[in-house]
Amino acid sequence: DQQVKQNSPSLSVQEGRISILNCDYTNSMFDYFLWYKKYPAEGPTFLISISSIKDKNEDGRFTVFLNKSAKHLSLHIVPSQPGDSAVYFCAASKETSGSRLTFGEGTQLTVNP
Amino acid sequence: DVKVTQSSRYLVKRTGEKVFLECVQDMDHENMFWYRQDPGLGLRLIYFSYDVKMKEKGDIPEGYSVSREKKERFSLILESASTNQTSMYLCASSGSGGDNEQFFGPGTRLTVL
Repeated sequence: DQQVKQNSPSLSVQEGRISILNCDYTNSMFDYFLWYKKYPAEGPTFLISISSIKDKNEDGRFTVFLNKSAKHLSLHIVPSQPGDSAVYFCAASKETSGSRLTFGEGTQLTVNP
Repeated sequence: DVKVTQSSRYLVKRTGEKVFLECVQDMDHENMFWYRQDPGLGLRLIYFSYDVKMKEKGDIPEGYSVSREKKERFSLILESASTNQTSMYLCASSGSGGDNEQFFGPGTRLTVL
């Protein structure tokens, strides 16, 4: 079963506007969430994370929001830039599983100039 | 700066061949992982290892085995390659510090004919 789901395979936004990428999870034991960015022919790179004790974490243009009751998190990119065009993966982990991550399917973000 | 390297960027093999994918990390990380990435399926965990000579099955271990004889090296073995193992293979490593961030290699694009 897919415990982490990214329901939008793709998203297209204009440069300068906000990009919002969504992620839902089903396992209430997940307590740490990460977003990774992946360019073609490269490995994923870590972008931002959030612990379940928080509901928001911000790093420059990137903000992750966590709604535990809805088992939903989102990544906001403001303002979006063409260089942000990539596949974004949401991932989740639980303390009892060590550093094992469960990934979503990914969302292809395209930022148009 | 963490570096995870994979032995090949592109590999073409024939059905039935034995295939070795090598991964090396230079940050003295305890944990190492092998994933495959397929369109629409995200990153799926094949095997992982928390220590030398240790291995744990991930979500899709069938048709694969692994070896970890040294801390820095984690090998993925396809005993008898099949066409449905054509995929992008990603290796990752992480420390035991609790933040669960994994660092990825550039990936190996394997084609089985």
